[in-house]
Amino acid sequence: AAGVIQSPRHLIKEKRETATLKCYPIPRHDTVYWYQQGPGQDPQFLISFYEKMQSDKGSIPDRFSAQQFSDYHSELNMSSLELGDSALYFCASSLGLRTDTQYFGPGTRLTVL
Amino acid sequence: KQEVTQIPAALSVPEGENLVLNCSFTDSAIYNLQWFRQDPGKGLTSLLLIQSSQREQTSGRLNASLDKSSGRSTLYIAASQPGDSATYLCASNYGGSQGNLIFGKGTKLSVKP
Repeated sequence: AAGVIQSPRHLIKEKRETATLKCYPIPRHDTVYWYQQGPGQDPQFLISFYEKMQSDKGSIPDRFSAQQFSDYHSELNMSSLELGDSALYFCASSLGLRTDTQYFGPGTRLTVL
Repeated sequence: KQEVTQIPAALSVPEGENLVLNCSFTDSAIYNLQWFRQDPGKGLTSLLLIQSSQREQTSGRLNASLDKSSGRSTLYIAASQPGDSATYLCASNYGGSQGNLIFGKGTKLSVKP
């Protein structure tokens, strides 16, 4: 069965650079969530999209932005990267907001040097 | 504030033991609760999802229960195996326009041969 795809899987950036993370949800899933998991931490919700519209916002810095495209894939854009942005970034998808299971991708490990 | 707490933070058991992981949530108006497994540096694998109208869910050696009135969920693992060693996270979902998951900090399980 198709799963959530994230790219790249690993990314190394310098401070103040920008990064773009991509998420391809399970086919026919219309909802995408982004989570950030710092070292030794639990995942924290960043932002979500339902039918290409932002549905909720969590602890996402103003330096980050995201969108969901017509094919339902989503991109998380991160600018002016800081050392503290180093984390595992997960994308999850589901069918609808009042959801059943959220299916997580393998994550993108971002390292900011 | 909606919070999820998991006890214990770490657990070490000999192979073959039955064990229980605990999860508590502060807001009983829960839509569903999901249990995940995470291996070190890896993604989140969904184990079980319990809807608010359900009392328990079973999958193989795993059984999860939900008691909304007391704000608790438990994950029961029967006949534990070394391959069960991982961090187990529970996450609450309050549905509505949100739908994002609120995670506990997890229980790190080690099953010794």
